[in-house]
Amino acid sequence: GAGVSQSPRYKVAKRGQDVALRCDPISGHVSLFWYQQALGQGPEFLTYFQNEAQLDKSGLPSDRFFAERPEGSVSTLKIQRTQQEDSAVYLCASSLGGFTGELFFGEGSRLTVL
Amino acid sequence: KQEVTQIPAALSVPEGENLVLNCSFTDSAIYNLQWFRQDPGKGLTSLLLIQSSQREQTSGRLNASLDKSSGRSTLYIAASQPGDSATYLCAVYDTNAGKSTFGDGTTLTVKP
Repeated sequence: GAGVSQSPRYKVAKRGQDVALRCDPISGHVSLFWYQQALGQGPEFLTYFQNEAQLDKSGLPSDRFFAERPEGSVSTLKIQRTQQEDSAVYLCASSLGGFTGELFFGEGSRLTVL
Repeated sequence: KQEVTQIPAALSVPEGENLVLNCSFTDSAIYNLQWFRQDPGKGLTSLLLIQSSQREQTSGRLNASLDKSSGRSTLYIAASQPGDSATYLCAVYDTNAGKSTFGDGTTLTVKP
């Protein structure tokens, strides 16, 4: 596609529900990243994929967070048993070549946990 | 641990003014530095990417400089316009940490 596409743009969940956020990167980009952005702050790294391999998941805040990219294209970030502190904007970015290349971001998925 | 600081947190200028946004980082072992623009409720739009071997990059009215040894980058915006109003973020790719670290951004308001 022309740009990084994320869905849903907005998600409201009740505490304890599971949510799944989708990211469709720019066609041909081998690297994909998930970030979490709290209001008024810069994005915080969550996890990084190169093709289908998850090379770094050190930023995932707990074992309730899980990300996958099974065919090296679309990625899903899943949050189980959501908590209020999970409320944030989840940003996906892709890069043509590794972490050192230019990052291109999607519009983000805003998650609100009630 | 890499720390990226952007000062000031907010800036308001009249239209037409030239301005400089600052980004400082604590670990000079970086591979590149990227400047982004973020409009309210939107994602990040890439403005300029500077590799560690470069001193500056230019795109239109924007000029970004990098001084690795002092841990600083500046984004210069010439002849500011109301449409430039947004939050500007910088991110450094830290070779030691193997990841990009972002500042919290500078929110710019250009008044007509």
